[in-house]
Amino acid sequence: GAVVSQHPSRVICKSGTSVKIECRSLDFQATTMFWYRQFPKKSLMLMATSNEGSKATYEQGVEKDKFLINHASLTLSTLTVTSAHPEDSSFYICSARGGGRGGTGELFFGEGSRLTVL
Amino acid sequence: DAKTTQPNSMESNEEEPVHLPCNHSTISGTDYIHWYRQLPSQGPEYVIHGLTSNVNNRMASLAIAEDRKSSTLILHRATLRDAAVYYCILVQGAQKLVFGQGTRLTINP
Repeated sequence: GAVVSQHPSRVICKSGTSVKIECRSLDFQATTMFWYRQFPKKSLMLMATSNEGSKATYEQGVEKDKFLINHASLTLSTLTVTSAHPEDSSFYICSARGGGRGGTGELFFGEGSRLTVL
Repeated sequence: DAKTTQPNSMESNEEEPVHLPCNHSTISGTDYIHWYRQLPSQGPEYVIHGLTSNVNNRMASLAIAEDRKSSTLILHRATLRDAAVYYCILVQGAQKLVFGQGTRLTINP
């Protein structure tokens, strides 16, 4: 089946640095990808919708200057956490929609990237 | 976004069937019912989805009420590897998926 791959799976960085997380659709083209974050024991929270070739659509309360999203190709979207702080520590997950009639195909998720900011 | 309501947690025994309920009383005619599950420290995994008719696949069955205001995910023979958080989500077209709190399923050996 379709696979979505994230890299890195774990990253530890110092406060104030920027971290880039990559999300790739390995065997299908994804015009739309979604970025989520998840805190321990909590559900996934949608951060933004990444559209190939255009600006991302951010959910209310998500700082677009803090979480930069670039979807430069049909198989790659990146999330950059800029000037990271300890409160940005979280599990970040990307997803891409597969095929399916009327766009209702299943959503494929990456393995997640655990960010720890010291 | 249409809301779904699921029990916070459920428990079952290995090799027994599990019925995970989901209420979605405000569902609209074009909402698809999707189920995903998430194992610890992993991204969610697609399980099944449907619109009106019951659906079966290799992982599970989805039973949808006639009025579509509720649905049940059925794991026919639970294994320890089925222990996960199960999310019931309503999806309209190619719209984003908004996750609720899900049901944490525990399987006892």
